[in-house]
Amino acid sequence: GQQLNQSPQSMFIQEGEDVSMNCTSSSIFNTWLWYKQDPGEGPVLLIALYKAGELTSNGRLTAQFGITRKDSFLNISASIPSDVGIYFCADFLYGNKLVFGAGTILRVKS
Amino acid sequence: NAGVMQNPRHLVRRRGQEARLRCSPMKGHSHVYWYRQLPEEGLKFMVYLQKENIIDESGMPKERFSAEFPKEGPSILRIQQVVRGDSAAYFCASCSKTEAFFGQGTRLTVV
Repeated sequence: GQQLNQSPQSMFIQEGEDVSMNCTSSSIFNTWLWYKQDPGEGPVLLIALYKAGELTSNGRLTAQFGITRKDSFLNISASIPSDVGIYFCADFLYGNKLVFGAGTILRVKS
Repeated sequence: NAGVMQNPRHLVRRRGQEARLRCSPMKGHSHVYWYRQLPEEGLKFMVYLQKENIIDESGMPKERFSAEFPKEGPSILRIQQVVRGDSAAYFCASCSKTEAFFGQGTRLTVV
């Protein structure tokens, strides 16, 4: 079953608004990866986090690795139409199996 | 997607034929994952391979599906006797110890 719980499932927001999504797990992880997938394309790595408490930015994107090592959030500031897509969190389980959250579908109203 | 090559991008097969999907990982990466994705759904893990070794195939159907990653050449996901339900996008990811990069995917359509 799904080891990562990602929320919300979908969002429909106004252009210019800030967006926040998160992932939680019952397990402790050493890495959090955030991906974006555009329609018809493969997922693209946005941000990688490696330390508890780490806060990393990539342009308008900011992600944090939770202190408990069981959660992470991704924020997008000042949304624009090209932010549309599916955002996934991912982690390496024991044995290095890469598992994904179910995804957050982002739709932006221009 | 940082050099992970998948081909073909699109593949059409008739029911009962075989489908072969190829993935060439990034240079220096010796680990590959395969995922399957249906429209509007998430990425479903299929198999995790190291060169010449299957590490985890817990997501692979027991029949008709197989995967390999030989010492030389790309990783191959093989689907024998395809059925309509095999129609999906198949993605591979190439991994270091801490990051994974995806290819553009192969969209398989079974007619």
